[in-house]
Amino acid sequence: EPEVTQTPSHQVTQMGQEVILRCVPISNHLYFYWYRQILGQKVEFLVSFYNNEISEKSEIFDDQFSVERPDGSNFTLKIRSTKLEDSAMYFCASSTGLGTEAFFGQGTRLTVV
Amino acid sequence: GDSVTQMEGPVTLSEEAFLTINCTYTATGYPSLFWYVQYPGEGLQLLLKATKADDKGSNKGFEATYRKETTSFHLEKGSVQVSDSAVYFCALLKAGGTSYGKLTFGQGTILTVHP
Repeated sequence: EPEVTQTPSHQVTQMGQEVILRCVPISNHLYFYWYRQILGQKVEFLVSFYNNEISEKSEIFDDQFSVERPDGSNFTLKIRSTKLEDSAMYFCASSTGLGTEAFFGQGTRLTVV
Repeated sequence: GDSVTQMEGPVTLSEEAFLTINCTYTATGYPSLFWYVQYPGEGLQLLLKATKADDKGSNKGFEATYRKETTSFHLEKGSVQVSDSAVYFCALLKAGGTSYGKLTFGQGTILTVHP
């Protein structure tokens, strides 16, 4: 069964460093998303991406964040100059179309120290 | 804005007990509603969905009915198993207009089932 894969599963980084979280969405999906879940809190939407551009982003997704689809299979989330409060589980998701259910990866746990 | 509220957890049950996890939502228009489940150490998996009022979603013995009059989508299972221990998330999806498939999640409910 096709699945969304994320790497790494856990990343530890020092405050102020840049990190890149990687995702391989399901191959025939067209919409891509990043969500995050700070420990003990809700899963929060960060950004959606379609046709090689951001289609919607939340207030959380400020200039510190960027997304890219560098080739036909990968979808990345870059966090510049990480802060302690960026520590969270980051989920990538993809869907076939607008309004269809999203399939999620297993998540990357980011710990900023 | 749109929001989803789930019953406070954690919920602890004995095997074969009846499960209800309450979920209510606030949204304009006609959202689709989902239950996602997160088993220990795994990602979010779609459990069931309903796309319009009075639809009933079902999967693996779980059911939820889209009630527009009460803006609710409560999750139920008649007889839980130890393997159902997980975190359950209610979510809504609005697409169209200025929304591009963003899911709005509830806070999650931790379910623990004892033998």
